[in-house]
Amino acid sequence: QKEVEQDPGPLSVPEGAIVSLNCTYSNSAFQYFMWYRQYSRKGPELLMYTYSSGNKEDGRFTAQVDKSSKYISLFIRDSQPSDSATYLCAMRGTGTASKLTFGTGTRLQVTL
Amino acid sequence: DSGVTQTPKHLITATGQRVTLRCSPRSGDLSVYWYQQSLDQGLQFLIHYYNGEERAKGNILERFSAQQFPDLHSELNLSSLELGDSALYFCASGGGHGNTDTQYFGPGTRLTVL
Repeated sequence: QKEVEQDPGPLSVPEGAIVSLNCTYSNSAFQYFMWYRQYSRKGPELLMYTYSSGNKEDGRFTAQVDKSSKYISLFIRDSQPSDSATYLCAMRGTGTASKLTFGTGTRLQVTL
Repeated sequence: DSGVTQTPKHLITATGQRVTLRCSPRSGDLSVYWYQQSLDQGLQFLIHYYNGEERAKGNILERFSAQQFPDLHSELNLSSLELGDSALYFCASGGGHGNTDTQYFGPGTRLTVL
């Protein structure tokens, strides 16, 4: 079993829809949680970063972390065609030497 | 633009050869991380350097090695290349400006081994 599980999709939604992307994980040592967006094999772009449990909002994006369930989510409101990309969750434990462990990514397609 | 630069963008070579990938971190970042992304494996952590010293190793093959120089740029050396080494190789940097928690990725080097 992988440390981080993420549904690969593809997920297709109409423009304007609310998108929900999720990851589950098994390592309780993970404390930092990130969402990256990756366009067609370009470098991953950091979207959201949260520490421990709770919610964080940035514009149309909301990240949620539920450590008791080992479950994280990214919500995208008013989705746009430009949001079409692969979304990768990533997480790490504490310490400066702690590596990021990534999910396999969910491919999102927002249609007109 | 993340501020992380990687060269070259594309590399095509033959099996058995050796290549060097280069990464320059964001200004002020002390850490450099290397990742491999292939279609069937996703993003896999290879190695982490902090201010010139190796800090952590992931699933890095013995044929691969890396180093970080005094000016903080890093090189990833891949030798005795095999077809299965074809992948995107990303460098990420972080650990600067007092923020040790996030990593910023470069545009990647696409390696094709024929």
